[in-house]
Amino acid sequence: SQQGEEDPQALSIQEGENATMNCSYKTSINNLQWYRQNSGRGLVHLILIRSNEREKHSGRLRVTLDTSKKSSSLLITASRAADTASYFCATDGALGTYKYIFGTGTRLKVLA
Amino acid sequence: DVKVTQSSRYLVKRTGEKVFLECVQDMDHENMFWYRQDPGLGLRLIYFSYDVKMKEKGDIPEGYSVSREKKERFSLILESASTNQTSMYLCASLRDSSYEQYFGPGTRLTVT
Repeated sequence: SQQGEEDPQALSIQEGENATMNCSYKTSINNLQWYRQNSGRGLVHLILIRSNEREKHSGRLRVTLDTSKKSSSLLITASRAADTASYFCATDGALGTYKYIFGTGTRLKVLA
Repeated sequence: DVKVTQSSRYLVKRTGEKVFLECVQDMDHENMFWYRQDPGLGLRLIYFSYDVKMKEKGDIPEGYSVSREKKERFSLILESASTNQTSMYLCASLRDSSYEQYFGPGTRLTVT
């Protein structure tokens, strides 16, 4: 079963608006990562947040992590049409390994 | 920049055929992965390899095998292709220091 579950499954917003997507997971983790996938392509790493961090920023991206609730959120500010993609969270489901578990993804559509 | 290449973008095979999917990375990464991606199911790990000739089963290894004879190359083998193996196959390699996975562009395999 999937460790990470993203919410919502799909999101449609206007250019310039903020987009927020959430990820929930089930077991303890060392770190959680977010990836982007443009249609029909491979995934691209966006940001990693460690279990001892609560918030991290990278450009227009802001990630939060709440280990007590086993959840994370990805905020994209001032969205652009080029942000249209699917976004996945990935967690190291088994401590001490590189066996990451990906969620089912959020499909984001940014309308120009 | 890290580059992960996959031998084919699109592949059509017949039921019962033996299928080889090749993946090559150019950054001397120890860890390599094979995933399949299906609508609504996200990415599921088939196999991963943490060194030459070393491999470990992922969540859905049935019907697949892998080979890693050289560090840069990780092959996925479908011994006898079946229609339920029609999917997008993604290869990735991982940078140990950052836990970041680098993905290839994917191979869309259709088994008829």
